[in-house]
Amino acid sequence: ETGVTQSPTHLIKTRGQQVTLRCSSQSGHNTVSWYQQALGQGPQFIFQYYREEENGRGNFPPRFSGLQFPNYSSELNVNALELDDSALYLCASLRGGGPVVTEQFFGPGTRLTVL
Amino acid sequence: GESVGLHLPTLSVQEGDNSIINCAYSNSASDYFIWYKQESGKGPQFIIDIRSNMDKRQGQRVTVLLNKTVKHLSLQIAATQPGDSAVYFCAESEANDMRFGAGTRLTVKP
Repeated sequence: ETGVTQSPTHLIKTRGQQVTLRCSSQSGHNTVSWYQQALGQGPQFIFQYYREEENGRGNFPPRFSGLQFPNYSSELNVNALELDDSALYLCASLRGGGPVVTEQFFGPGTRLTVL
Repeated sequence: GESVGLHLPTLSVQEGDNSIINCAYSNSASDYFIWYKQESGKGPQFIIDIRSNMDKRQGQRVTVLLNKTVKHLSLQIAATQPGDSAVYFCAESEANDMRFGAGTRLTVKP
């Protein structure tokens, strides 16, 4: 186990709805990254949070947003859900947040299904 | 655009044999490379990493080789065991942007 937890485990939503996913980072880690993993594909970087601020973003539209809290836990929010948003959402925590990426530890993911 | 990819989507090996999983990358500015293992229903698990100033790194039963000339990364698993069956991803990183390949499914036959 990595010490990174995510909730909920599974979620079903309908198109147009909004969803919030949660992640608790490993103790001592101040940085959280979020990834989207479509079925049969590798994870795609959504964004990273370091000390409560966005610290890098992948090619995802603004309806994907996030927060990081003082205890370094994080939320991923997706508005106006689309069918293509169905995927496994992974968070990963690491220590640092500077320009060099170091070893990061993944949670088990949240499986989101959009109907 | 530049991308990370894998040469083979599936690999089947006999228990006890050595496995080699390959990965091609195209971003010459990437300076950090990682191999992950993902079992069904779980998040990716870190296996081994290597920085661009190295060409080889060894761990327990695993070795990563980096050839920057041809932008190629490989993962060697010695004495492959049934517990090694999983999907293996390579990932490359420049700054805090990490990109994953599509993955190779390794199946270990008893």
